[in-house]
Amino acid sequence: KQEVTQIPAALSVPEGENLVLNCSFTDSAIYNLQWFRQDPGKGLTSLLLIQSSQREQTSGRLNASLDKSSGRSTLYIAASQPGDSATYLCAVGGRYALNFGKGTSLLVTP
Amino acid sequence: GAVVSQHPSRVICKSGTSVKIECRSLDFQATTMFWYRQFPKQSLMLMATSNEGSKATYEQGVEKDKFLINHASLTLSTLTVTSAHPEDSSFYICSARGAGGVTDTQYFGPGTRLTVL
Repeated sequence: KQEVTQIPAALSVPEGENLVLNCSFTDSAIYNLQWFRQDPGKGLTSLLLIQSSQREQTSGRLNASLDKSSGRSTLYIAASQPGDSATYLCAVGGRYALNFGKGTSLLVTP
Repeated sequence: GAVVSQHPSRVICKSGTSVKIECRSLDFQATTMFWYRQFPKQSLMLMATSNEGSKATYEQGVEKDKFLINHASLTLSTLTVTSAHPEDSSFYICSARGAGGVTDTQYFGPGTRLTVL
């Protein structure tokens, strides 16, 4: 069974800092990996989708990398802003479903 | 990106009643829809997967007679929580995926907060 772990569980940084969120998974036989953002009491917003054949994806200030062989992905957020405060979820796509980590709760302080 | 809606966004019901939650893909045809449940400070847990016109596939530990799923069209799936109990209180989120299969993006609805008194 795929196990997805996200570190750290919570993170607080001052505005403007660059930061890295980590995701690890136990089974490297994946189809893709997605990073999502979830605001309190809300649904999920897809940030980046990396297919298994890709190494990274970029969107604006966000960059996600994927190393299948080591079972790791990182989400890099450049020049963080208070509006980036949310929970970030990593989800590993298997043959049938997405397996989610518990998320990293990010707080960016002004 | 594609839009998925859920209705209602929030529901409070008495123990023993049934609650229906709708999930709609507004601007694309959802070949496959997924239902997840999320308890506070926990990850999303997949409950079931449904393909249009077929019976849903339930994850281990999820009672199919309690959580009825219908995916009658390419834009609508419903989850009915039958004889709800307080332990069913949770955040229910659906997602939808197009015909691209496992490599396609899943688009998530905004979620439904169910509180059973």
